[in-house]
Order: sequence, then structure tokens, then C-alpha cells
Amino acid sequence: DAMVIQNPRYQVTQFGKPVTLSCSQTLNHNVMYWYQQKSSQAPKLLFHYYDKDFNNEADTPDNFQSRRPNTSFCFLDIRSPGLGDAAMYLCATSRRGRVSNQPQHFGDGTRLSIL
Amino acid sequence: GQNIDQPTEMTATEGAIVQINCTYQTSGFNGLFWYQQHAGEAPTFLSYNVLDGLEEKGRFSSFLSRSKGYSYLLLKELQMKDSASYLCAVNSGGTASKLTFGTGTRLQVTL
Repeated sequence: DAMVIQNPRYQVTQFGKPVTLSCSQTLNHNVMYWYQQKSSQAPKLLFHYYDKDFNNEADTPDNFQSRRPNTSFCFLDIRSPGLGDAAMYLCATSRRGRVSNQPQHFGDGTRLSIL
Repeated sequence: GQNIDQPTEMTATEGAIVQINCTYQTSGFNGLFWYQQHAGEAPTFLSYNVLDGLEEKGRFSSFLSRSKGYSYLLLKELQMKDSASYLCAVNSGGTASKLTFGTGTRLQVTL
């Protein structure tokens, strides 16, 4: 049962051409995250939503935007992709609760290539 | 600042036991997670520690010492399918987990 679904698995775009990656979840989790993971590097948190509250990481470039129209869906928009934005983009969800032991559940990722 | 260190690569033999270490220095601490990530796939949750001591889950155990900023993941009875990267991640957020990941340890299991 796919619980966090990312589409597409592979995305190719041109330098400077806007691209949108999508994520959906069937877990009804109230927190959704976007990570960027480059080869042999740690996943790096870009931003997260707690319900509709958007939380941007301080070092996330302005080129990266996100939308969450409802609980189930979250989008990552890259306005003008550069060669350095080629990476795996991971979406994750978690339940926010009274304790901090809620694991994040990851989608399979979208591998983005820039031509 | 946040700093999480893990060995880059390890090799072990099928059937053996391997210990993957993680040291961390973070501005907050609200628990430590271990994830497994096969090449080209999503990380999958293995274990969580917030109190000092050992948590056991089948072939996998994880240990935490908060005073030393240290954790390890212990894998027993290694199988070929355990060849993967193992990511240590510290939750420095509140009740919504906000994870800082280490770069991962790539484990190769050989015959």
C-alpha cells in the first residue's frame, strides 16, 4: 500500500524552465516535508507544513516554493531551475503529537535532472 | 549549529554483527532516528531513541547516550539485503519532528 506517493519518479527539465513536483499521502498526517538529497549527501530539509502553516528553512533558496492546497497534497515548485538543483527530492509526512517519537514516512522521491 | 557524524562506508560478512556509530552536536535534542535507504529508494524508518539505553527490534538494536552525544545501530545475523545506507537523524524540533540527517553509512554485506 503506497502511503506517500510522489510523481513523477523521474523529471527532466531545461535550465530556467519552471518545474513542479507533487506529493500525495493517504496517512492523513498533518505535517508534510520536502527534502533535497544530492548524491552521497544527507537529505536536507527545505521546508515543512504543519497543517496550512508554512515553515521555511533559513537557507532554502527563494527559487524553491511550496503549496499545500489540502491535507493530502503538497507541491514543490522550482521557479528557475539551475544545474545545481539536480537532485533527488523527497517528500515525507508525520503526525504531530504530544510526544516527539513520530517517525517521518517518506515517498520514493523524484529524481530531477536539468538539461 | 548542527553536526552529525557517521562513518562513510563499512563492510561486513553475511551472518555477522555490525555496529554503525553516530555522534551528534545539535542545538536541540528531541530524539534520534535511524533510517535505512537502499540506492534510489526512500528512507525507511528503523528505530527511535529518546532516553539513554538500548532499544531492540528483532535483528536491529539502537543505543543512545545523550551525555556523550552518541548512538549506534547494531545489526545482527546480517543478510545480503541489509546492504544499504544507514542514516542517523536527530530531531531538534518540537512535537513535529524536524530532522537533521547525517550523510549516512553505506554498508556492504559480502558472502
